[in-house]
Amino acid sequence: RKEVEQDPGPFNVPEGATVAFNCTYSNSASQSFFWYRQDCRKEPKLLMSVYSSGNEDGRFTAQLNRASQYISLLIRDSKLSDSATYLCVVTRTLNDYKLSFGAGTTVTVRA
Amino acid sequence: GAGVSQSPSNKVTEKGKDVELRCDPISGHTALYWYRQSLGQGLEFLIYFQGNSAPDKSGLPSDRFSAERTGGSVSTLTIQRTQQEDSAVYLCASSLAGIGNEQFFGPGTRLTVL
Repeated sequence: RKEVEQDPGPFNVPEGATVAFNCTYSNSASQSFFWYRQDCRKEPKLLMSVYSSGNEDGRFTAQLNRASQYISLLIRDSKLSDSATYLCVVTRTLNDYKLSFGAGTTVTVRA
Repeated sequence: GAGVSQSPSNKVTEKGKDVELRCDPISGHTALYWYRQSLGQGLEFLIYFQGNSAPDKSGLPSDRFSAERTGGSVSTLTIQRTQQEDSAVYLCASSLAGIGNEQFFGPGTRLTVL
């Protein structure tokens, strides 16, 4: 079983819609969680960290469910510029340098 | 300021040849990481440097892969006797002090082994 699994999508949504997707992780001891964004043929960039209590950053909301071992990302009021692949990332300890990446979920926002 | 840079951006080589990939981290970042991204796959951790030392080489796929870092700055990833399965995008990242800090990625080197 892969350490981090994601639905590859694609999720095709109209502008203004809300889109949400999950990521599951296999190691119950995982401590740190992140969402990275990767545009086509570009490098990954940190979108947001995911905290136990859940957190928002503008139109983006991340949630962590430790009991079921998944994290989620919700994008409200989708923009064309949100089209990208979203990578779920976990680490084994709070300060682990080794990031474990999911294969990504592709989101396409259409006009 | 300048981000992480990598060269070359693209490399096409013949099976059996050696290749060297270069990474210039963000100035002041002591930690440096190499990852590999194959088509449709997540990023795969290869190696981590803290300064010039590599405390974790566990991700290197085989002994054909090696990496070094000099002066606490530039790093090179060398793949000897390349195989077709080595074809991937090789990404370098750097961070402050290594542990728990955001990793900033370079644009990657796309390696194609014919």
